[in-house]
Amino acid sequence: ETGVTQSPTHLIKTRGQQVTLRCSSQSGHNTVSWYQQALGQGPQFIFQYYREEENGRGNFPPRFSGLQFPNYSSELNVNALELDDSALYLCASSLRGQLQTEAFFGQGTRLTVV
Amino acid sequence: GDSVTQMEGPVTLSEEAFLTINCTYTATGYPSLFWYVQYPGEGLQLLLKATKADDKGSNKGFEATYRKETTSFHLEKGSVQVSDSAVYFCALSDLGSGGGADGLTFGKGTHLIIQP
Repeated sequence: ETGVTQSPTHLIKTRGQQVTLRCSSQSGHNTVSWYQQALGQGPQFIFQYYREEENGRGNFPPRFSGLQFPNYSSELNVNALELDDSALYLCASSLRGQLQTEAFFGQGTRLTVV
Repeated sequence: GDSVTQMEGPVTLSEEAFLTINCTYTATGYPSLFWYVQYPGEGLQLLLKATKADDKGSNKGFEATYRKETTSFHLEKGSVQVSDSAVYFCALSDLGSGGGADGLTFGKGTHLIIQP
């Protein structure tokens, strides 16, 4: 059973640029959620994807967008990067309707915006 | 909106001491409650969960009881080990919020340091 994998592990971007982060969900899972974890804070829910469509969104602006592919992997895209976007970005996979049972998290992508 | 409040850290204890990390929540619906642990350089791991009032979640010697009357889910362990040093997050999932999202709402985390 493969776990949740994220790439890249670290990334440095310049303010105003765009970035794409990737996530492969755990085998058998069909739902992917993305979180932003600022230094010293708890993760904040960005959005969730199910059946290749956004299925819920937290308090993040539209420049945060995503995709889910037929194999349930997912991308997080952030446009017009700001310094405050520097954070650890976590991906979690689960079965639809069973997040209350368990969500499996990847190790995250550390994004630094300079 | 939903929120989770947990005690600020760092919490420093000696090995074999008793641990309590307090967690209280505010939710519009009837949430499920979770404790996650994050070891240095790693992602989040589910430690335990409870889905209804008076349920007790337990794992690896850790326990937490869902107290609806006090909206609390305090984490306890009778005898901590150095290997328990990590950041602990209390979280809730409130499918009844009407938002349609399955996202978890996390507290800010409590950094636990166990000294030999």
